[in-house]
Amino acid sequence: DQQVKQNSPSLSVQEGRISILNCDYTNSMFDYFLWYKKYPAEGPTFLISISSIKDKNEDGRFTVFLNKSAKHLSLHIVPSQPGDSAVYFCAVTLGSQGNLIFGKGTKLSVKP
Amino acid sequence: DGGITQSPKYLFRKEGQNVTLSCEQNLNHDAMYWYRQDPGQGLRLIYYSQIVNDFQKGDIAEGYSVSREKKESFPLTVTSAQKNPTAFYLCASSIAGGVYYGYTFGSGTRLTVV
Repeated sequence: DQQVKQNSPSLSVQEGRISILNCDYTNSMFDYFLWYKKYPAEGPTFLISISSIKDKNEDGRFTVFLNKSAKHLSLHIVPSQPGDSAVYFCAVTLGSQGNLIFGKGTKLSVKP
Repeated sequence: DGGITQSPKYLFRKEGQNVTLSCEQNLNHDAMYWYRQDPGQGLRLIYYSQIVNDFQKGDIAEGYSVSREKKESFPLTVTSAQKNPTAFYLCASSIAGGVYYGYTFGSGTRLTVV
């Protein structure tokens, strides 16, 4: 059974607008959440993360929101740029000795 | 520059053959990981190693084997027992207990069975 769900396989957004990528998880004990960005035929690169003790973390155009009661996190990209077009994976972990568990990814396309 | 090197980038295997994918890192990371990516399946953990000469099975270890004789190297062998080996394979590393800092990934190896 999937522990991390990204229910939207794809998302298309106009350049300059906001992109919102969503992720749901099943285990309320997960304590750290990360977003990765992946271009075709390349390895994922770390984008932004958030601890379970916070509900928001911001880094430039990227903001991650965590709603623990809903077991939901989201990544906001504002403004979206064509170079943001990639597959975005959310990942979760349980404790510092745990391994990352990845969702299936959402393919974001930003149209000029 | 420090990083993770995976080789080869593309690999073709005949049915019934074993193949070994290379993963080398010069980040001085203790932990290393192998993931498999299939279309629409995300990243699934095959094997991981937190320390030299020790490794653990991940979620989909059947048909794969690994070794960790050196800190820098974590090769993955895809054996003939792996029934559907065509996929994109990713190696990653992290500091020990450093999952909160995320993993550093290599650029991947695409394996195709012909």
